[in-house]
Amino acid sequence: GAGVSQTPSNKVTEKGKYVELRCDPISGHTALYWYRQSLGQGPEFLIYFQGTGAADDSGLPNDRFFAVRPEGSVSTLKIQRTERGDSAVYLCASSFYAGGGTDTQYFGPGTRLTVL
Amino acid sequence: GDSVTQMEGPVTLSEEAFLTINCTYTATGYPSLFWYVQYPGEGLQLLLKATKADDKGSNKGFEATYRKETTSFHLEKGSVQVSDSAVYFCALSDPGGSQGNLIFGKGTKLSVKP
Repeated sequence: GAGVSQTPSNKVTEKGKYVELRCDPISGHTALYWYRQSLGQGPEFLIYFQGTGAADDSGLPNDRFFAVRPEGSVSTLKIQRTERGDSAVYLCASSFYAGGGTDTQYFGPGTRLTVL
Repeated sequence: GDSVTQMEGPVTLSEEAFLTINCTYTATGYPSLFWYVQYPGEGLQLLLKATKADDKGSNKGFEATYRKETTSFHLEKGSVQVSDSAVYFCALSDPGGSQGNLIFGKGTKLSVKP
């Protein structure tokens, strides 16, 4: 079946602009995660949704970052007043949440964000 | 807080060589442990996992054993192929938490030469 998809694959924007990154999880997956991967680093957790609600947003770096999942499927990560330090690959993952931290997370191909 | 430390790369091996990529972790609970792989131009994909102490995860000739006493989850393969060239990430998920988000190491780039 279809995997996790993310759009756009690449986004170039100017400092101070607003951007939206979209994630379509695997159908039926209730858990959805956003991560950020900087060059040469492993992915870092940003936010986790269980259904429509953000169960944990402790990884969001500041209040310029916000994410929604209004119908419990597609999610949008929103970044206001972008800064050059926001440049990274933004990864989305989904899982069929069974609890206990044993779930396999399936990752999308990522959105490469470049802030000029 | 929880963390993962894996050996720095890059690692360059000849085809059919033995591979070990070290991974150690720090966690307050009893985490599940994962190895993810990122092939050139592709997204992250699960290679193997182990959810409790002494479990061995295996896939595509790769193996890793969950060692609680040494807090380690080293990745091994007996005979690597050129197609194994990729970046490998060790990760943990703390089952004591409600979210199950993954904490990753920095990744180890493996290059296998024919």
